[in-house]
Amino acid sequence: ETGVTQSPTHLIKTRGQQVTLRCSSQSGHNTVSWYQQALGQGPQFIFQYYREEENGRGNFPPRFSGLQFPNYSSELNVNALELDDSALYLCASSGSFGLADNEQFFGPGTRLTVL
Amino acid sequence: DQQVKQNSPSLSVQEGRISILNCDYTNSMFDYFLWYKKYPAEGPTFLISISSIKDKNEDGRFTVFLNKSAKHLSLHIVPSQPGDSAVYFCAASRRTHGSGNTGKLIFGQGTTLQVKP
Repeated sequence: ETGVTQSPTHLIKTRGQQVTLRCSSQSGHNTVSWYQQALGQGPQFIFQYYREEENGRGNFPPRFSGLQFPNYSSELNVNALELDDSALYLCASSGSFGLADNEQFFGPGTRLTVL
Repeated sequence: DQQVKQNSPSLSVQEGRISILNCDYTNSMFDYFLWYKKYPAEGPTFLISISSIKDKNEDGRFTVFLNKSAKHLSLHIVPSQPGDSAVYFCAASRRTHGSGNTGKLIFGQGTTLQVKP
């Protein structure tokens, strides 16, 4: 059983650019959630995808968007990057839609730096 | 609006002693609570959880206590080991279906635990 993987591990961009982060969910999991963790803070929920549909969104602007593919892998896209977007982006997968008590398995994260 | 708070940024304990990590929440609609551990360069790892219908859940050296009236939960680690040194996050969730937010975890800011040999 493979765990949650994310790519790339590190990324440096400049203000105004666009970025795409990728996540492969754990085998058998159909739900992917994305979180942003700023330095010294806990992870903040961005959105969740279930069977290729967005299911729930946190307090993030529309320039944060995502996709989920038929194999349940997912992308997080951020347009018009701002300095405050610098953070660790975490992807978590879980097995069943809608059940918070299904453990969310986190990937190692992508460290994004915006200059 | 910080709905989940961990007011102690750090905690240092001696190996073999008890570690107690605390977490407070404000939203009475939360009905499921989790603790995650995070090492540097790794994603958070699930430790233990508790439903709001319980006041205690135990798993080996880890016990979580929930006080709903005080909106407070704590994680006890006994005995503490140097390998427990990490950042600990508490998280809360609502299991209400249809809200569009099912499965969304609200995290605290984290507490860095150092267990000294």
